Formats: sequence, structure tokens, C-alpha cells
Amino acid sequence: EVQLVESGGGLVKPGGSLRLSCAASGFTFSAYSMNWVRQAPGKGLEWVSSISSSSSYIYYADSVKGRFTISRDNAKNSLYLQMHSLRAEDTAVYYCARGDENYDLLTAFYYYYMDVWGKGTTVTVSS
Amino acid sequence: SSELTQDPAVSVALGQTVRITCQGDSLRRYYASWYQQKPGQAPLLVIYGKNNRPSGIPDRFSGSSSGNTASLTITGAQAEDEADYYCNSRDSSGNPRVFGGGTKLTVL
Repeated sequence: EVQLVESGGGLVKPGGSLRLSCAASGFTFSAYSMNWVRQAPGKGLEWVSSISSSSSYIYYADSVKGRFTISRDNAKNSLYLQMHSLRAEDTAVYYCARGDENYDLLTAFYYYYMDVWGKGTTVTVSS
Repeated sequence: SSELTQDPAVSVALGQTVRITCQGDSLRRYYASWYQQKPGQAPLLVIYGKNNRPSGIPDRFSGSSSGNTASLTITGAQAEDEADYYCNSRDSSGNPRVFGGGTKLTVL
């Protein structure tokens, strides 16, 4: 069964740090890009960060750039998100999601999608 | 604010057809993907690419794109389709991924 399981969430004080993990199983982890997506309480989805299959390409949302670091260990089938200088507005459920992409030759459109999601881990930043 | 714009809420009568739209400049070059999220659950991919459905997604879900607008259409909406729907694509300022603000679908 294809599965992603996040862990590492919890309560942390403003300015603190936390490291999230995402354990993948049931597919060839090293063949896929991976993403972190978060959802603040009562709010919509927010893309946080992406990493390519070999870690060659890494992207961050402006809201976390310079504070969060995404990484992966393909030997351990694991994705990570190191979070520093946490703020109240980082409070959210954090999901990891598998990514895939393709290119439509007929229309010359590129597309990316996230086809497998974990259940999420909750991060609460509060004093 | 998101660079992909969605109507906050849409309603549809049971069994009728509803279209949920997503607007953004990047959609002139990139297809959107669409996600369904029910309360307390993780998002679920329902449409990707030009009009592709993952295994297990009913064929009443379809996607289309024209100009700067991507659309998710549910033909014959069912009670279980009541959920939040999010589009995702690239944004016009260089971020590889961005979500629309989401549309809450109510099935009456």
C-alpha cells in the first residue's frame, strides 16, 4: 500500500525549532519529488516547500524562506522539514505529499500534481 | 493572497451539474490540479493534467482549461461531493506551486 506518515509535530514556543519527518512506503521513494503543504486552523491549503527526487531542486514559499529547510534521505525513504524561528502563524497541520509531473506534447502545457498525501502532523506555536 | 483565485462558496442541487473555477495568469501555460478535502481529512487528488482522474475517482469529475481559467466540473453532484475544493498550479511570480483559496461546495 502506498503510504506517507508524518511525525514530529507538537507544541513549541515562538522562536523555537521543530523537525518534521515523513516516512514513505509502498513505492519507489527515490523516483518522486516530494512536498510539504500546511493548513492553518480554519484556513486553506498553503504550499510550503518542494524537493526533487535527487534533491537537486529545492523550492520554498516566501513565507518560510530562510527559516525552513526541506531535505530527504532516499536510503531511508524519508522526507524532512527542519523549522526554525517559528512564529504563531506557522501553526498548522503539516502534510507531506508525493509529487509527479508531465508535459502535454499536444498543448505544450506542463503540469504537476500531488497524488499521495499523508494524514498530517500538527504544529502549534504558542507561548 | 493567492495568485490563483477561486470563488469562496458554490452550491448545487443534488444530481445537478456544478462548475468550480480557478483563475490565474499561470493557467495560460500550466494545467491545474484539483483536490477535494472533507473535514478532518487530508486532501485528495481528483483531477490533474488536461483532464485526468486518478484511479478510484468517479467519472462525474472532469477538468477543463481555457485562457486563464481552469474548471472542475461535477456532473450529477452527490451528497458525498460536499467538500472544499482547491486548485493548484504554478504561480506567475516563479513559485513552482501555489494553491487557490479554495471553494466550499454545498450540495443541497
